[in-house]
Amino acid sequence: DGGITQSPKYLFRKEGQNVTLSCEQNLNHDAMYWYRQDPGQGLRLIYYSQIVNDFQKGDIAEGYSVSREKKESFPLTVTSAQKNPTAFYLCASSPRLGGYTFGSGTRLTVV
Amino acid sequence: EDKVVQSPLSLVVHEGDTVTLNCSYEVTNFRSLLWYKQEKKAPTFLFMLTSSGIEKKSGRLSSILDKKELFSILNITATQTGDSAVYLCAVEGGTNAGKSTFGDGTTLTVKP
Repeated sequence: DGGITQSPKYLFRKEGQNVTLSCEQNLNHDAMYWYRQDPGQGLRLIYYSQIVNDFQKGDIAEGYSVSREKKESFPLTVTSAQKNPTAFYLCASSPRLGGYTFGSGTRLTVV
Repeated sequence: EDKVVQSPLSLVVHEGDTVTLNCSYEVTNFRSLLWYKQEKKAPTFLFMLTSSGIEKKSGRLSSILDKKELFSILNITATQTGDSAVYLCAVEGGTNAGKSTFGDGTTLTVKP
């Protein structure tokens, strides 16, 4: 079945460490996105990519980095520069016209 | 700055009630408005609206867009406990065309 897979589901990070969240899709979607969701809030865009080898900053890109070397994959690295990384991270993909398909999310906690 | 505002932020109703959720937006280069339902984890897609005045319907859920007033509503009739969720409104387009701006969501609780 086609879908979008995020891993891991839960991630713990010590302060000062970089961590990478995985996002893979087999829907043949061109566009992929990373959102952050804090309790009681909507989704805020971190980065998005509409084509391989190209990506743009969203509204809250500081402290994060991405790559898009393959159409299927859009990993997100949370760097030590991100001051408040504890959150729920959602990856999504979409065709050119149409709604998003979301992954099941990664809950990151800084310990 | 692109903005999507949902109201109310939360709502508690009893089974069988009808609810209306609101979404207003200020977004340049509007392409579409989308509604999602988020239960525990990933939001799931409900509707995509691109034209004013055309109602989209799926079972007990329906939605309509008013591009003149920059507004959309999501109606749920004969609510059930399984409708309890966060409902997210998103608008595609904006200053960075091709990405969606999300509202903060409406948390709906349906009591038996």
